Amino acid sequence: DTAVSQTPKYLVTQMGNDKSIKCEQNLGHDTMYWYKQDSKKFLKIMFSYNNKELIINETVPNRFSPKSPDKAHLNLHINSLELGDSAVYFCASSPNARTGLDNEQFFGPGTRLTVL
Amino acid sequence: AQTVTQSQPEMSVQEAETVTLSCTYDTSESNYYLFWYKQPPSRQMILVIRQEAYKQQNATENRFSVNFQKAAKSFSLKISDSQLGDTAMYFCAFMKLDAGGTSYGKLTFGQGTILTVHP
Repeated sequence: DTAVSQTPKYLVTQMGNDKSIKCEQNLGHDTMYWYKQDSKKFLKIMFSYNNKELIINETVPNRFSPKSPDKAHLNLHINSLELGDSAVYFCASSPNARTGLDNEQFFGPGTRLTVL
Repeated sequence: AQTVTQSQPEMSVQEAETVTLSCTYDTSESNYYLFWYKQPPSRQMILVIRQEAYKQQNATENRFSVNFQKAAKSFSLKISDSQLGDTAMYFCAFMKLDAGGTSYGKLTFGQGTILTVHP
């Protein structure tokens, strides 16, 4: 069983479109994250949710909106896609980021988004 | 804000030899975690090893060990007996803890080092 899964793995779309990436974890974790890895492989956190509550919201354009329907799912919706949004987006989860004991994040396989 | 610097964009090593990857970080925090993550060509991010800042003893995980120099803010990764499967991009990462010991899970990554193991 895949611990952290993302769909789709690849996404090619036109500029201006709206798209979503889904993430699910079956580890029973309370905290989930979205990271962006750019073309130079630099990884940066975008958002984090703990039990459906937003706890990290980095400086990300408001075209990006995370949604957590329950603690096992964290989806990323992107409006009005731009060329610069092309990247690999990683979802991750960890037991509970508020506990201080939480020091391992489990990553999904990534979604490669290409905006044409 | 914390920064993590990996000064070696690329490294290579022969199979069975030892290689050390460098990482330095800048923080005014005293309580934090440090990590090395591995990203093979499959793209999957895998935790290699972690170190709690309050622990003086260097962490080890089988062939992987770290040299943690807190005063120098240095955190290098040593891979012994390198194997072909170690070929990957390696990321050093930092996570601070607040006064209550909460991290919020925010990882700050370095730029990464591409390691190639040659047969």
